[in-house]
Amino acid sequence: DVKVTQSSRYLVKRTGEKVFLECVQDMDHENMFWYRQDPGLGLRLIYFSYDVKMKEKGDIPEGYSVSREKKERFSLILESASTNQTSMYLCASTLTGGRNTIYFGEGSWLTVV
Amino acid sequence: AQSVTQLDSQVPVFEEAPVELRCNYSSSVSVYLFWYVQYPNQGLQLLLKYLSGSTLVESINGFEAEFNKSQTSFHLRKPSVHISDTAEYFCAVSEVGASGTYKYIFGTGTRLKVLA
Repeated sequence: DVKVTQSSRYLVKRTGEKVFLECVQDMDHENMFWYRQDPGLGLRLIYFSYDVKMKEKGDIPEGYSVSREKKERFSLILESASTNQTSMYLCASTLTGGRNTIYFGEGSWLTVV
Repeated sequence: AQSVTQLDSQVPVFEEAPVELRCNYSSSVSVYLFWYVQYPNQGLQLLLKYLSGSTLVESINGFEAEFNKSQTSFHLRKPSVHISDTAEYFCAVSEVGASGTYKYIFGTGTRLKVLA
């Protein structure tokens, strides 16, 4: 069965901390995505990756960076967490091409205090 | 760039009543359209998708959506809802990014609340 696994479901971090959110997929998908989900704003794309070490900015990349050193793993990094980054973060993956189903992890709730 | 509009943020409906969740997208060029559902405390999962061919697509649990190119709409319908359909529903479209890779653009979601 298809699986996208996010390493942490719930995190609480302090303002200014460096935060790593990890995501692993077991489907050999080329493309991986990070979204944040906020009430009333839906899902907004932060970054996506179309190959190892390749990435493209989404709609809200400010304050975030990403890393993809292996095909199955895509990390989201908050260099210096701020309270306005408190949110639900969703990782997803899919095969190349826009016709394919995108598979999501269960999400990581991040609270920055 | 594509955008997706879901005008209804919340839709309350009584059990066994019909429901329509509206979705409009911004571009009339060839698109791939999707509806995803999110149950509480879970990630999103695919409900149905339109790629080409018949403009009416169906899901296994009784939902259907109709692609209307002239109105750039992809509304989701169910003739009779159940309590278990209570969830948030997201409309999405895929578009090509700067790298030539497709990315997926989501709407703001519609919370369907089915009342007993």
